[in-house]
Amino acid sequence: GQQLNQSPQSMFIQEGEDVSMNCTSSSIFNTWLWYKQDPGEGPVLLIALYKAGELTSNGRLTAQFGITRKDSFLNISASIPSDVGIYFCAGYNTDKLIFGTGTRLQVFP
Amino acid sequence: DAGITQSPRHKVTETGTPVTLRCHQTENHRYMYWYRQDPGHGLRLIHYSYGVKDTDKGEVSDGYSVSRSKTEDFLLTLESATSSQTSVYFCAIPRSPSSGANVLTFGAGSRLTVL
Repeated sequence: GQQLNQSPQSMFIQEGEDVSMNCTSSSIFNTWLWYKQDPGEGPVLLIALYKAGELTSNGRLTAQFGITRKDSFLNISASIPSDVGIYFCAGYNTDKLIFGTGTRLQVFP
Repeated sequence: DAGITQSPRHKVTETGTPVTLRCHQTENHRYMYWYRQDPGHGLRLIHYSYGVKDTDKGEVSDGYSVSRSKTEDFLLTLESATSSQTSVYFCAIPRSPSSGANVLTFGAGSRLTVL
């Protein structure tokens, strides 16, 4: 089936640092989404992107829909301890949402 | 999340027994989805429904069946549970009634352990 390659798999950073992660695919997607998952909870939507080249912010988070429609990027600025969790990208094609394997973020004070 | 609940939240069962997980929504949406989450695989689609009695397979549907007899409930059944079906199962619906099926809201998950 379709796969999304998400990297890095994990990140260990210090509070205050900026974070970048990305998602790539061999397929074109019409929508890119970024979710965050806390332990024991379901994924929660952070940002939704609908057009190639689109750049969208949500507080300290900024995400971009790649111009080729095959990739997306998420940046977190000035990380804080509550940013800890697993971040998933997801791409929508026809009637299905396909997920990346996740980036686990640890933030140290 | 508001509007979508899963039950049970935790279940331990033995190999070979049937298991049914329930997803209930109060948003009256046509679309409902079942995903499983495993380490290293992210979330993978099992089955989805696009209306009452209308369902289709996802990428990992083997060993699972679903039913949708009314709009608000989507049931996932493991006819004969196996250890490989130990996982966390998430139900999802579109984020808003007016949005398409491309942005989903997830339930809190059902953790299933098959011994």
